[in-house]
Amino acid sequence: AQSVTQLDSHVSVSEGTPVLLRCNYSSSYSPSLFWYVQHPNKGLQLLLKYTSAATLVKGINGFEAEFKKSETSFHLTKPSAHMSDAAEYFCVVSDHVFNKFYFGSGTKLNVKP
Amino acid sequence: EPEVTQTPSHQVTQMGQEVILRCVPISNHLYFYWYRQILGQKVEFLVSFYNNEISEKSEIFDDQFSVERPDGSNFTLKIRSTKLEDSAMYFCASNTNRDSTGELFFGEGSRLTVL
Repeated sequence: AQSVTQLDSHVSVSEGTPVLLRCNYSSSYSPSLFWYVQHPNKGLQLLLKYTSAATLVKGINGFEAEFKKSETSFHLTKPSAHMSDAAEYFCVVSDHVFNKFYFGSGTKLNVKP
Repeated sequence: EPEVTQTPSHQVTQMGQEVILRCVPISNHLYFYWYRQILGQKVEFLVSFYNNEISEKSEIFDDQFSVERPDGSNFTLKIRSTKLEDSAMYFCASNTNRDSTGELFFGEGSRLTVL
């Protein structure tokens, strides 16, 4: 069975400091993993995806994530937070067999000036 | 850039009324989904649809819910008799391929408020 755990429901950083949003997954198969961002009252936008190619994945807006199979993790990072990064972030794992996507519970990122 | 569009963006209805939420997926996509997000809670899978039939549904998707693709473009979610607890943001999504290496493309959501 597939599942996703986002370890922090809220993360608060100061503008210009690094961001780390943690995600652990469990999967019976070789997973595809995604990070989506949701700004207030908006839809879900893809930040980046891992689909069995390079383990370090670069996404939009300076975000990147590293797939670590040994740790079953797919943490999202950004070297320097910007005020516009304040949003909710969802880690998602997909199930190749049933074409189903499993969402983490989300992490709200707050960026302080 | 192609996008998934949803209407209405916000609907307010009385408990017990029927609601239809509409979605236009990206035109060459084959798989369609509905998710919902109750305020402050996680995104929950409702149903997936492929080749004009439901491929999977969650336990949330009970007999009050139905989906259909009435023409070549629209994908609708119907709630027959709304309950207070149906108040949520409903997201439509689509993607292209069976093997799920492709991401989901989401619409902006339809906020349903049941009074």
